[in-house]
Amino acid sequence: DQQVKQNSPSLSVQEGRISILNCDYTNSMFDYFLWYKKYPAEGPTFLISISSIKDKNEDGRFTVFLNKSAKHLSLHIVPSQPGDSAVYFCAAWGDTGTASKLTFGTGTRLQVTL
Amino acid sequence: EADIYQTPRYLVIGTGKKITLECSQTMGHDKMYWYQQDPGMELHLIHYSYGVNSTEKGDLSSESTVSRIRTEHFPLTLESARPSHTSQYLCASSENYGYTFGSGTRLTVV
Repeated sequence: DQQVKQNSPSLSVQEGRISILNCDYTNSMFDYFLWYKKYPAEGPTFLISISSIKDKNEDGRFTVFLNKSAKHLSLHIVPSQPGDSAVYFCAAWGDTGTASKLTFGTGTRLQVTL
Repeated sequence: EADIYQTPRYLVIGTGKKITLECSQTMGHDKMYWYQQDPGMELHLIHYSYGVNSTEKGDLSSESTVSRIRTEHFPLTLESARPSHTSQYLCASSENYGYTFGSGTRLTVV
């Protein structure tokens, strides 16, 4: 049962434009949502998070939006830069029935083109 | 400066060999995790620990084993490596909801 889903495996965006990465979840008990960025042959690095009691969090070029009624969150990157090309993982933290831990989505590969 | 360290970064080893992937963290976190990532991108949780002498299997069945004798150390062992074990192995630790990942070990079994 995939509780966190990223339905777009890949996304291509032109440099300078907005990148929008989407994530859906099914478990209403999740408390926090996070985005991680991963380059090949490296570990994921934390990008930005949002509490379930908020609907927006912004950090520089990165903004995360949370729509609890739709169980949907999105990451906006403005403006997109070539260095943003990586795989992005959405993750949700909370009680999954066995323990409180992070549940990761399947990832979206973002390519920012010149 | 990394607070969680994985060694080796890359390992090529023959079938049937025993290997141990090392993971150490200096943050004093009680919770530690091992993930496996195949080229298909998805991160699979294979083991986790919530403290010394506590280990649990994750969502993906794995032939590997782990131990947690010290808070800072969470090694993963494969008793007999097989080509199907070829993958990237990622270690992480956390205090609460924010995980910090190591750089990973890229394992190739030939």
